[in-house]
Amino acid sequence: EAGVVQSPRYKIIEKKQPVAFWCNPISGHNTLYWYRQNLGQGPELLIRYENEEAVDDSQLPKDRFSAERLKGVDSTLKIQPAELGDSAVYLCASSSGRLDTQYFGPGTRLTVL
Amino acid sequence: AQSVTQLDSQVPVFEEAPVELRCNYSSSVSVYLFWYVQYPNQGLQLLLKYLSGSTLVESINGFEAEFNKSQTSFHLRKPSVHISDTAEYFCAVSKGGSQGNLIFGKGTKLSVKP
Repeated sequence: EAGVVQSPRYKIIEKKQPVAFWCNPISGHNTLYWYRQNLGQGPELLIRYENEEAVDDSQLPKDRFSAERLKGVDSTLKIQPAELGDSAVYLCASSSGRLDTQYFGPGTRLTVL
Repeated sequence: AQSVTQLDSQVPVFEEAPVELRCNYSSSVSVYLFWYVQYPNQGLQLLLKYLSGSTLVESINGFEAEFNKSQTSFHLRKPSVHISDTAEYFCAVSKGGSQGNLIFGKGTKLSVKP
């Protein structure tokens, strides 16, 4: 069974540019998470989806970050415009429900210059 | 709110030596506890978890962790480590009844030397 797929794996952009990350969860997983992992820190939840609905986005900086999960499968996380402090690894995870184990993708490492 | 403290940022050990990675949590409600492992250039993988029942939980590759409610700890141990155990280990907590909304510690880098 394929795991969580994320692309791109690496992205380097200049500040003020937009950037987008894509996540394809494990087939059949209704719950999808986006985390941000800063250097030397553990992952921090940005947003959680139950199917198409964002049920917890309290930690998402809504002035520049946006996310969508059309049709309740793939998801895209966007930053516009990017700032230097956005440099981090962005992780996507999925589970068959919030009561179940989360499975993580390999992440996208973003560097903002 | 829950929080997690991993007391050691780096733990160097020699191959075949025992290791303990420490994790303490704080919470005013019941919790679920997890250890995730991150190998270089890979995503986080669940190593083991405590949801309920026996306070000692084991992984398939020889790690174990014990939930100690009185000390609010969930330390990870292995009696004899291998080079392949070199990775970063993250302790995490969630509110009891849900494995969503994980709160992670800062991680401990385990380096196993020959």
